[in-house]
Amino acid sequence: DGGITQSPKYLFRKEGQNVTLSCEQNLNHDAMYWYRQDPGQGLRLIYYSQIVNDFQKGDIAEGYSVSREKKESFPLTVTSAQKNPTAFYLCASSPLGRYGYTFGSGTRLTVV
Amino acid sequence: GEDVEQSLFLSVREGDSSVINCTYTDSSSTYLYWYKQEPGAGLQLLTYIFSNMDMKQDQRLTVLLNKKDKHLSLRIADTQTGDSAIYFCAESLNAGGTSYGKLTFGQGTILTVHP
Repeated sequence: DGGITQSPKYLFRKEGQNVTLSCEQNLNHDAMYWYRQDPGQGLRLIYYSQIVNDFQKGDIAEGYSVSREKKESFPLTVTSAQKNPTAFYLCASSPLGRYGYTFGSGTRLTVV
Repeated sequence: GEDVEQSLFLSVREGDSSVINCTYTDSSSTYLYWYKQEPGAGLQLLTYIFSNMDMKQDQRLTVLLNKKDKHLSLRIADTQTGDSAIYFCAESLNAGGTSYGKLTFGQGTILTVHP
């Protein structure tokens, strides 16, 4: 079955640590996206990538980094520079120029 | 700029119709979407409408688009308790723009269905 997989489902981070969230898709989609969801604020775009080895900042990229070494994978690193990282993180993918995204099931990150 | 607005809450009784509204600001939107999110899960695409259409119906779902007022609505007929979720509208822009391929989401409407 084709789909998009995020792991882990829950992640706990200590202050000052970097953590990496995984996103893998087997849909052969060119574009991948990372969104952050906070209650009452909808989804805010962190980074997106339309092609391997290239990615663009979204609206709230500060404190985050990404890589796109393979078409299937788009990991997100939440660095210690991100002051308020506790949130629900959603990864999505889409064919270029086509309608709609396919979303993963999300990773809930909590700072302890 | 891109901005999508939704009301935050809607409460209906089981069996009634639900209407979730959305306004957007970018007149160059090409597609408009409705997504559903159940607790602790990702977003699921419900339906979409191309900007040159006025209406689209898909089983219990009816999407209405008023381009003049930049208003989009989702009507759910015979609402069930399983329809309780957060509903997001989203827009995508013309291929020629720098925002090509990106979706802009509203804040989401929390639909609560009472028995």
